[in-house]
Amino acid sequence: QVQLVQSGAEVKKPGSSVKVSCKASGGTFSNYAISWVRQAPGQGLEWMGGIIPIFGTTNYAQKFQGRVTITADESTSTAYMELSSLRSEDTAVYYCARGGYRYGYGEGYQYHYMDVWGTGTTVTVSS
Amino acid sequence: QSALTQPASVSGSPGQSITISCTGTSSDVGSYNLVSWYQQHPGKAPKLMIYEGNKRPSGVSSRFSGSKSGNTASLTISGLQADDEADYYCCSYARSTTLVFGGGTKLTVL
Repeated sequence: QVQLVQSGAEVKKPGSSVKVSCKASGGTFSNYAISWVRQAPGQGLEWMGGIIPIFGTTNYAQKFQGRVTITADESTSTAYMELSSLRSEDTAVYYCARGGYRYGYGEGYQYHYMDVWGTGTTVTVSS
Repeated sequence: QSALTQPASVSGSPGQSITISCTGTSSDVGSYNLVSWYQQHPGKAPKLMIYEGNKRPSGVSSRFSGSKSGNTASLTISGLQADDEADYYCCSYARSTTLVFGGGTKLTVL
């Protein structure tokens, strides 16, 4: 049974960057999509973007375009999410999640369910 | 991309059935059968309960079911149990290769 183990909690200054890792143990993620989802304190879930490691293709939510970079290293079954220009509103728990995708004619890769979730990484942005 | 619309809260007594709605648009819920539902207990990671509108992953109780009509998807939980008390989120694929979540619904088992 695959598990996604994320890196530890981070405390960052406004304007800096954070890079969170997500390592698959007990399996690989090459044939799946890896999404990054965040949850601010007391708030709902927010999809940030994702990557399909076997193709290396990435997709980002419009809100985070230009500020987030998602990468994956298939050799170590590890995905990464880097968020730059941090502000206090970025304080949240960040989750990686493995999920399904399909190819949609004229639309590219369509992400859908997320069936295995990571352990979560708390990122606190404070001066 | 705007979030999908869910009721903030629903409640029910043990043994009863409840339904949580998730309203989107013709650009997401209405055009694709790619709605998923997640259960989240406090302090825990979300858990997939329904995918592709009405499919249950292995290990998820048959008390959970999903459906869709037009731009609105629904999650029904029958035979409510105390452990069903949690937050529930719908999620849909949206045009331009993105995913969008609902705002979440807090389920209280009375």
